[in-house]
Amino acid sequence: EAQVTQNPRYLITVTGKKLTVTCSQNMNHEYMSWYRQDPGLGLRQIYYSMNVEVTDKGDVPEGYKVSRKEKRNFPLILESPSPNQTSLYFCASMIERGRTGELFFGEGSRLTVL
Amino acid sequence: QQQVKQSPQSLIVQKGGISIINCAYENTAFDYFPWYQQFPGKGPALLIAIRPDVSEKKEGRFTISFNKSAKQFSLHIMDSQPGDSATYFCAASRPSGGYQKVTFGTGTKLQVIP
Repeated sequence: EAQVTQNPRYLITVTGKKLTVTCSQNMNHEYMSWYRQDPGLGLRQIYYSMNVEVTDKGDVPEGYKVSRKEKRNFPLILESPSPNQTSLYFCASMIERGRTGELFFGEGSRLTVL
Repeated sequence: QQQVKQSPQSLIVQKGGISIINCAYENTAFDYFPWYQQFPGKGPALLIAIRPDVSEKKEGRFTISFNKSAKQFSLHIMDSQPGDSATYFCAASRPSGGYQKVTFGTGTKLQVIP
């Protein structure tokens, strides 16, 4: 089954404690991206990657890091989480290069930073 | 700066009624306009999409109407059902570095009551 898998699905942490949210896709997609979803703000792109070792900032990259060492994995790293990073996070991959831009999303990771 | 404006933020419709969600954009570089549907606890999933050279696209009970001159597009859900209760995001995408950069609206929470 084609899917994007995120872990953990739920996480409560404290300010400053580094954490990583993992994302893996089994569709061999080159493009992957991270979004955060906040009430009234919709989905905002954090970082994206067009291929292995190629990453770039999205619209709200501050406080986040990513890496793309393998095609299937795209972890999101919060080096020093703060309460304003409390949010619902989605990883997504995109089908094919230069086509319609259809995104396949994971089921989300709800993060609370105390 | 919200490049894709979506309204209303929430919508309550009776079963069998028509649900209408509106979106507007400014950037004429957008060339693909998808709608995503998100059920509670799940990631968004592509529902229906349209290109700007078409004024209307229908798939079952879901129809996109597109007005290129006004830079507006809307989703109509005919004969709305309780199972349609979800959050709907309009989006617009444009070519960017060989991929499509997707910009989302702020979302509409639809509740269909029996």
